[in-house]
Order: sequence, then C-alpha cells, then structure tokens
Amino acid sequence: EPEVTQTPSHQVTQMGQEVILRCVPISNHLYFYWYRQILGQKVEFLVSFYNNEISEKSEIFDDQFSVERPDGSNFTLKIRSTKLEDSAMYFCASRKDGPKNIQYFGAGTRLSVL
Amino acid sequence: AQSVTQPDIHITVSEGASLELRCNYSYGATPYLFWYVQSPGQGLQLLLKYFSGDTLVQGIKGFEAEFKRSQSSFNLRKPSVHWSDAAEYFCAVGARAGGTSYGKLTFGQGTILTVHP
Repeated sequence: EPEVTQTPSHQVTQMGQEVILRCVPISNHLYFYWYRQILGQKVEFLVSFYNNEISEKSEIFDDQFSVERPDGSNFTLKIRSTKLEDSAMYFCASRKDGPKNIQYFGAGTRLSVL
Repeated sequence: AQSVTQPDIHITVSEGASLELRCNYSYGATPYLFWYVQSPGQGLQLLLKYFSGDTLVQGIKGFEAEFKRSQSSFNLRKPSVHWSDAAEYFCAVGARAGGTSYGKLTFGQGTILTVHP
C-alpha cells in the first residue's frame, strides 16, 4: 500500500539553526499538510498546501516557517531559526483531490532543538 | 472554531474485554469525524471515518464508532480487545471546506490504551 514517507526520523539541531524536514507524499495526492505534536500535547495543524500554494495556515505557522514543493515528489517544511519550543514530532499528511478522501500520515520526524 | 475532547488520557483493559474510548467534539455544523491510531514509531493510521449517512460506522481491526449528534460524541468501541490493540488513539474533526471536501484536522489529546494479558 502506498505510504507517506518522512525523513529523517529524528533530527537534532542547535537553537538558531535552520532545519528542513522532508516528506514524500503519496504520488497521486494533491493536498499536503504539516502537523506537529509537542510532547504530551495534542497534534496541531500547521499548514495545508494545494496547487503550489498555501491554502490554510495556523497561527503557529509564522514567518519562521515555510513550505515548498521543490519537485514533483517532495514536500518540505523549513524552520529558519529554530527555537527550543520547536522541539516536537512533525507529521506530514497527504490526500487525493475530491470529496471524502482521507488524509494519510507519515511516521513523523522528531525534531530536538538543543 | 472546532475542538475535540478525549476525556480519558490513559485506559487499561484486559485482553478479551470490551473497549469504549470517548470523544466529544465542538463544531458549528455536521462534522466530518475520524479515529486514528498510532503505534510506537508509526504514523497515524486511520481506523474509521464518518462523513454522513449511517451513524454507526465500521472500521478496520474490528473497531466501530457511533456518531451521536445530540451528545456531540463519536465514541470508539471494540467488543473484544487484543494485545496488539495497545496504542494511542486520536479522535479528530475535519473542517468542511466546500461541498463534501474538508481541510485541516483538529485532534483530541489522545487516549493511550494499555492491554493486560
């Protein structure tokens, strides 16, 4: 069964550094999402992306965050200058176009900011 | 804005016992509702979904859930739990985005299920 792939599984970085989290959505999907889960808290929506542009973003998704679909297969989340509070599990999801299609999630990237 | 509450952070059951995980939502219209499960090191896997129609929905692994509009609930049930069901379970509501499409998911806190042999 096709799956959403995220790399790396664990990323350790120093505060203030830039990180790029990578996702390969399922090939015929057109909607892409990033969510995050801070340890012990809810899974929170960050951003959705469709037709090469952001369709919705949360208040968490400030100027430090950006998303890109650099080619036909990857979907990336960049954090320009990481903060301690960015430490979390980041999940990528994708779904097909059309009604009633579900979001498929990757296994996540655990980001640790030291 | 929509929200989801899962009142039980942690539930422990014996193998073979029945299970009910509670989920209450807040949303201004008829919601799209989902249950996902996460095993350690794995992504979120969809167990079942409700979009419309029959309020009792069947999912994978023998799970079912019932949508009760009057109680704003979407509780997950399983008649007989297996040790492999130990995982974290998330209830989510999808915001309608025109027609029968939906956008972001809003998740509950999650319920950790422990299964005793």
